[in-house]
Amino acid sequence: EAGVVQSPRYKIIEKKQPVAFWCNPISGHNTLYWYLQNLGQGPELLIRYENEEAVDDSQLPKDRFSAERLKGVDSTLKIQPAELGDSAVYLCASSLSGDNEQFFGPGTRLTVL
Amino acid sequence: KQEVTQIPAALSVPEGENLVLNCSFTDSAIYNLQWFRQDPGKGLTSLLLIQSSQREQTSGRLNASLDKSSGRSTLYIAASQPGDSATYLCAVKGDYKLSFGAGTTVTVRA
Repeated sequence: EAGVVQSPRYKIIEKKQPVAFWCNPISGHNTLYWYLQNLGQGPELLIRYENEEAVDDSQLPKDRFSAERLKGVDSTLKIQPAELGDSAVYLCASSLSGDNEQFFGPGTRLTVL
Repeated sequence: KQEVTQIPAALSVPEGENLVLNCSFTDSAIYNLQWFRQDPGKGLTSLLLIQSSQREQTSGRLNASLDKSSGRSTLYIAASQPGDSATYLCAVKGDYKLSFGAGTTVTVRA
């Protein structure tokens, strides 16, 4: 069974540029999560989807971050415009439902210059 | 807000020694606790999941205990090997959300 797929794995951009990350969850998993992991810290939840509905986006900086999960499968996280402080690893995870074990993708490492 | 602390932040041991990694959390109202492994530049791999009603879980050389009332969990890795070198994170689950510690970076010297 394929795991959570993320792309790109690495992204380097200039500040003020837009950037987008893509996640394909494990087949059949209804719940999808985006996490932000800064260097030397644990991941922090940005947004949680149940199917196509964002049920928890309280930690998402909505002035520059946006996310969507069309058709309740793949998801895209966007930053526009990117700032130097956005340099981090962006992790996607999925689970059968909100009660179940979460499985993580390899992450996208973003560097903003 | 749930706060998760992992001590020590880093640990270096010779091969063959047993590893003891500690995790503490402030809010005992949790659904479960998970231990993850993260290799440099990689995502998180789940090692063990302990439900709130359980006291421990074992998988091979790994054993994790949970004392929910005192807000503590310990991960034991027996007979460490160089391949165990990684960062180990614990995460507690409440209301669908995982709250992570900052991790313990382990180096096993050959």
